[in-house]
Amino acid sequence: DSGVTQTPKHLITATGQRVTLRCSPRSGDLSVYWYQQSLDQGLQFLIQYYNGEERAKGNILERFSAQQFPDLHSELNLSSLELGDSALYFCASSPRGGLAGYTDTQYFGPGTRLTVL
Amino acid sequence: TQLLEQSPQFLSIQEGENLTVYCNSSSVFSSLQWYRQEPGEGPVLLVTVVTGGEVKKLKRLTFQFGDARKDSSLHITAAQPGDTGLYLCAGVRRYGGATNKLIFGTGTLLAVQP
Repeated sequence: DSGVTQTPKHLITATGQRVTLRCSPRSGDLSVYWYQQSLDQGLQFLIQYYNGEERAKGNILERFSAQQFPDLHSELNLSSLELGDSALYFCASSPRGGLAGYTDTQYFGPGTRLTVL
Repeated sequence: TQLLEQSPQFLSIQEGENLTVYCNSSSVFSSLQWYRQEPGEGPVLLVTVVTGGEVKKLKRLTFQFGDARKDSSLHITAAQPGDTGLYLCAGVRRYGGATNKLIFGTGTLLAVQP
């Protein structure tokens, strides 16, 4: 158990819909990362937050957005869903988020499996 | 664009055999990490290698970072069924001077048969 929790574990929805994935980081971790894992694209970094502020962006679509709240939990919002958005979505957390060149260990949650029908 | 290619993609071996997984890139990374992911779980960090030419051992696993910091290998001695899983390398790249981004490899799915 990494200490990172993600809900829900599974989500089945239809094209065009909007969903929200939730992540609670490990106690004391200030940084949250979101990743998408699919068979054709592998594990891809989407976005990082540090203490409530966006820190880095990866291959995140405009239809997707995220935020980190004052209690440090984070939500990933996916809208206008398409079949190709079906994937595993992972949240990870780390203590400092890579400040000052330090490579934090990222602790991954168990993921949310999204199926778009 | 996948910057890190792993080989082989799939590997099925018998318990007790040795194996090597390769992670190759044309890009230089500040460091490189190896993860193992089991079904239904997120990736778990095994090791971080930082210096070109560095070799790290973790019990039966040996990790090496290439001299030019563009490639890496993972060698498992006397594989056991518990080693079964998806092995991912990840290059660490500095981003905007304030954080690091992980660029994951294509993955190697290992199955160790008892």
